[in-house]
Order: sequence, then C-alpha cells, then structure tokens
Amino acid sequence: DAGVTQSPTHLIKTRGQQVTLRCSPKSGHDTVSWYQQALGQGPQFIFQYYEEEERQRGNFPDRFSGHQFPNYSSELNVNALLLGDSALYLCASTPGQGGPGEQYFGPGTRLTVT
Amino acid sequence: KQEVTQIPAALSVPEGENLVLNCSFTDSAIYNLQWFRQDPGKGLTSLLLIQSSQREQTSGRLNASLDKSSGRSTLYIAASQPGDSATYLCAVNYQGGSEKLVFGKGMKLTVNP
Repeated sequence: DAGVTQSPTHLIKTRGQQVTLRCSPKSGHDTVSWYQQALGQGPQFIFQYYEEEERQRGNFPDRFSGHQFPNYSSELNVNALLLGDSALYLCASTPGQGGPGEQYFGPGTRLTVT
Repeated sequence: KQEVTQIPAALSVPEGENLVLNCSFTDSAIYNLQWFRQDPGKGLTSLLLIQSSQREQTSGRLNASLDKSSGRSTLYIAASQPGDSATYLCAVNYQGGSEKLVFGKGMKLTVNP
C-alpha cells in the first residue's frame, strides 16, 4: 500500500517564475492538505482540498493556489516566486470521513528560489 | 490565537536515558493531538495520535499523554537510542479547524552513544 507520494523531490526556480508541485494521497484517502515548512520552523498550513474544492485556507497570499483531481491527487501552484518561498512543501492526506483522524505526510518537495 | 509551543528547542542526552518531551497548546477545544518525527530534510513520520477523549497512547518505547485542561501533552521515550536522534514535532487539530494541524516549532533531539 503506497503512502503519500510527492513530486518532484527537489526544485530550483528563479524569482518571478511559477512552480507546480504534485501530491498523490494514501490509498483510500480523499482529503489533501498542503503545508510550508521553512528551515528550523514547524509546518504552516496553506490549504486543504476535499471533493475537488478548497475547504479551508491558511494565511497565505493568492499567489498560492491549488487543485484537486477526481482521483484525489492534488497540485500546489505558486506564482511570482519570491526568495521567501524557499521551503520544504509537505502534502498530507486523511480519510476525510468519520471525523478528524490521523494525518499522513509525504516526503516533501524542497523548493529553492534563487 | 491557537498556538502550539515546544520547549526546549533542542536536547542532547546520552544513550539509555528516559526522555520527556513537552508540548503545550492554548485552547482545550481540540479534536486530537499528533506527535511526529522528522529526520533532516525529510517528511514527517506519524508516531502517535491521541484523540480528544483519550488520556494516553503507547507504541513500543513511546508513550504520549494528553491533559486538555492544562493544555499539555508529553511524549515519553524509554531507553533512548542514537537512532532516536531527530526533530520531534507536536501538532494539534483544533476544533473548528477542519483537520488543519497547528504545529509547534519542534524539538531537536540528539542521543549520543
């Protein structure tokens, strides 16, 4: 049973560019959340997708957007990249039913903006 | 404001010690609390999940307790080993947060052989 997978593993972009990160949830999970983890900090919630809609959003600008596909996989898009967007981006999935449960995280995508 | 605090930020101990990692949170209205382990540059590995109605959970050498009234959780690691060296993160799922986790900054543990 595959866990949460993310691609790519590492990415280097230039300021002003756009980036797309991808996540496939754990089998049987339909809710996907994205987090940003800066160096030495705890992860910060970006947003969550359920039934292909954004269900909740953290304190991130509109440059951060996402999408969920019918197979529950998800994308995180960041436009007009800033140096401060350099971080580890983590995806988490949960079953979505039966109330809040254990969240499973993927290995993350390391984004470096130069 | 719903926050999670972990003190100290780092801990270095000799192998074999029993450890207590602390986590405090600001609002007792929670769904659950989850402890994670993170190795350098890696993702998060879930260690233990404690539901709001539970007092503690155990897995192997790990035991986590929850005291909602005081806004505290502790992760107990028995007989620490060098392989336990990692950053440990506490995350709270506050009610009304729709499965959004609020994380502490983590505690970096080093177990010396």
